[in-house]
Amino acid sequence: GENVEQHPSTLSVQEGDSAVIKCTYSDSASNYFPWYKQELGKRPQLIIDIRSNVGEKKDQRIAVTLNKTAKHFSLHITETQPEDSAVYFCAASSQEAGTALIFGKGTTLSVSS
Amino acid sequence: EAQVTQNPRYLITVTGKKLTVTCSQNMNHEYMSWYRQDPGLGLRQIYYSMNVEVTDKGDVPEGYKVSRKEKRNFPLILESPSPNQTSLYFCASKGLAVPETQYFGPGTRLLVL
Repeated sequence: GENVEQHPSTLSVQEGDSAVIKCTYSDSASNYFPWYKQELGKRPQLIIDIRSNVGEKKDQRIAVTLNKTAKHFSLHITETQPEDSAVYFCAASSQEAGTALIFGKGTTLSVSS
Repeated sequence: EAQVTQNPRYLITVTGKKLTVTCSQNMNHEYMSWYRQDPGLGLRQIYYSMNVEVTDKGDVPEGYKVSRKEKRNFPLILESPSPNQTSLYFCASKGLAVPETQYFGPGTRLLVL
């Protein structure tokens, strides 16, 4: 089955810096890669996703890149702000209907001002 | 408002006392699942259901039961809770359209003494 590895487990940056979180996956059939943000005490919420026919996707300060050959994808946050502090989870699934999302173990991002 | 709800949000119980955590969604989603979240281990799937009367084990099903008698509800049952089931539990749902965003409930924090 699918296995998703996520690094780093913790990341501390200064406000305004960029943050990068990387994930690798094992199942070459996976082709949907969402990222979730979980603020303290809250539920995980989707912030961006990418499908395998796209190499990069941007949404304001957030971007995700995908390298299918190397089986890795990354989340990039530019101009970080204190409100970006949260736990970020990557996930992977195949496009088959009803396939479970397999999550990485999460990255705790701390943005200090 | 489209949402996934869980009850209770917080629960303290004792070893062996049966409990049920309810989950309901109003988005007419076919797919529902339960996760537990533990520090350093990320989100691990307990059980999932692809439709009414169709359930299957996830990665960590031991000690849990589920049922799916109605499309909107997917309760999680702990028939004899043990301290190692102390955790934060999330219900989630998504449609079967490919791929489909997964939505999480607010979480249930369970402490088993």
